[in-house]
Amino acid sequence: SAVISQKPSRDICQRGTSLTIQCQVDSQVTMMFWYRQQPGQSLTLIATANQGSEATYESGFVIDKFPISRPNLTFSTLTVSNLSPEDSSIYLCSVEVGQYNEQFFGPGTRLTVL
Amino acid sequence: GENVEQHPSTLSVQEGDSAVIKCTYSDSASNYFPWYKQELGKRPQLIIDIRSNVGEKKDQRIAVTLNKTAKHFSLHITETQPEDSAVYFCAASSGGTSYGKLTFGQGTILTVHP
Repeated sequence: SAVISQKPSRDICQRGTSLTIQCQVDSQVTMMFWYRQQPGQSLTLIATANQGSEATYESGFVIDKFPISRPNLTFSTLTVSNLSPEDSSIYLCSVEVGQYNEQFFGPGTRLTVL
Repeated sequence: GENVEQHPSTLSVQEGDSAVIKCTYSDSASNYFPWYKQELGKRPQLIIDIRSNVGEKKDQRIAVTLNKTAKHFSLHITETQPEDSAVYFCAASSGGTSYGKLTFGQGTILTVHP
């Protein structure tokens, strides 16, 4: 597996502002992913972040709203822009590691938008 | 794209009983099927996975079966214990250069009564 950390663990933000979430891994990984988990719901993939290339976004998610950076093989950030109460969710990063490309999740960032 | 349906949404069993959760998927190209356990306030944890070249996999009290023809896979937990109580998510991926693009089911809330 891998040791994955996220910052912040939680935050309360005002509508119209932005929040940047950091994801740090203790080993170099090619594939990093960002998911959203709305309250009481399942996980939905936002985008795939590969180092050295633009993130690939899933249907319903756009770069202007969810800009992603991937400056190296151990770090990524997700920004949630122009916040609205509908953005209140848990945001999780995940990485693919090991011989069998198993996917492991960070602890998540709980965002509340007022 | 891929669509994963998971049943039941809630499952209540007595300690020591078996629990079975079923998922169906739509994309015949999917070839990787992980299961995650998520306890309240925690990150999803990978508990078992299966690839399309295998029909069944077992790890102690947990087993997963895959029927590619019918496009469904199931999680079996035997001798359930109260600590098995959690939300369980199935997922499917069509792989490619990685397995990363996971599509999740809606989740099953499992409650094991002592």
